[in-house]
Amino acid sequence: AQSVTQLDSQVPVFEEAPVELRCNYSSSVSVYLFWYVQYPNQGLQLLLKYLSGSTLVESINGFEAEFNKSQTSFHLRKPSVHISDTAEYFCAVSYSTSYGKLTFGQGTILTVHP
Amino acid sequence: ETGVTQTPRHLVMGMTNKKSLKCEQHLGHNAMYWYKQSAKKPLELMFVYSLEERVENNSVPSRFSPECPNSSHLFLHLHTLQPEDSALYLCASRKWSVAGGTSYHNEQFFGPGTRLTVL
Repeated sequence: AQSVTQLDSQVPVFEEAPVELRCNYSSSVSVYLFWYVQYPNQGLQLLLKYLSGSTLVESINGFEAEFNKSQTSFHLRKPSVHISDTAEYFCAVSYSTSYGKLTFGQGTILTVHP
Repeated sequence: ETGVTQTPRHLVMGMTNKKSLKCEQHLGHNAMYWYKQSAKKPLELMFVYSLEERVENNSVPSRFSPECPNSSHLFLHLHTLQPEDSALYLCASRKWSVAGGTSYHNEQFFGPGTRLTVL
């Protein structure tokens, strides 16, 4: 069965510190990987995605993630976080189906302290 | 309006009530999804509609009944719900296409959700 594991349910950090949110998925021939962010009382917003090509993908607000096929991982990183990055982050995987079914991880709550 | 909208944003209902959740997308997408988000559980896919045809039903109880009258609208009809059905219900849409035998996986766009409380 397809599965996604986010290894940390909560990650507290101080402002301007680096952060890494971990994500591992069950192996498959072709995968498409996504990170979504959910702010309180809102729906999910796409942060970044890996479909093909360069294994390092970046978002417009300083996050990046690297697709590592050998380790079946897609960890999310940011070198310096802001208070406004406080939110819940979801890793999701879509396997090679035409309907784009997403399998989500359990979510990681990132809390940035001043 | 732009993007994916959902109404109502909050709903409180008794176990004997019948209500409906509405989702509308203004993005020209051709696939729509219902997800359930419960506390301390991963997001659960409930239904997938592609080109207005239900293509996936993830063992959802019959007290949840989806309807997709056209590519822009998706409903979730609710009846005789249980308290454990209280959750955030999220709608999403996506544009998918196939060319040369390859399916292109664009991201899903989510609505803000309906917070449902069943008393």
